[in-house]
Amino acid sequence: DQQVKQNSPSLSVQEGRISILNCDYTNSMFDYFLWYKKYPAEGPTFLISISSIKDKNEDGRFTVFLNKSAKHLSLHIVPSQPGDSAVYFCAASGLSGGSNYKLTFGKGTLLTVNP
Amino acid sequence: DVKVTQSSRYLVKRTGEKVFLECVQDMDHENMFWYRQDPGLGLRLIYFSYDVKMKEKGDIPEGYSVSREKKERFSLILESASTNQTSMYLCASGRTSYTEAFFGQGTRLTVV
Repeated sequence: DQQVKQNSPSLSVQEGRISILNCDYTNSMFDYFLWYKKYPAEGPTFLISISSIKDKNEDGRFTVFLNKSAKHLSLHIVPSQPGDSAVYFCAASGLSGGSNYKLTFGKGTLLTVNP
Repeated sequence: DVKVTQSSRYLVKRTGEKVFLECVQDMDHENMFWYRQDPGLGLRLIYFSYDVKMKEKGDIPEGYSVSREKKERFSLILESASTNQTSMYLCASGRTSYTEAFFGQGTRLTVV
């Protein structure tokens, strides 16, 4: 059963516009969420994270929004640049009630930013 | 700068061979992980280790084993390689098992 879902396999945006990548989760015990970026033939690199005590976290052009009631998070990239073209993975984990939940990844969304 | 290094970028092995994938981290992290990435399936956890000589199965441990004799080194072993183990293998390390993990560059393994 897929606990972290990225329902859009791909997304294409124009340079300078906003990219919005979405992620849904089913496990209510998750309380820590991360986004990773991966170029072909390289390992994923950590982008940004958010704890469940927050609903927004910003780092430069990247903002992650968390809606706990909907079990939904999104990554906004503004403005999008061609170098942002990559696969983006959403991940979730948690430390709740003594249970240590390791990172669970979604299947990824391929973002293409067109010049 | 943090570093996770995997011993090979590309490997080609024959069916039935025993295959060793090596990973070294220089961040003094307690936790190390092995994932595989396949198209349409994302990253799936094979095994992880939370201390020297300690290991725990991930989501897809069948056909794999691991070894962690030293804190900085975590090895993935394919006991008898099969074609369905052709994949990109990614090693990672982290201060905890549930926060940011730092990944190596990956090993593209092809089993023929």
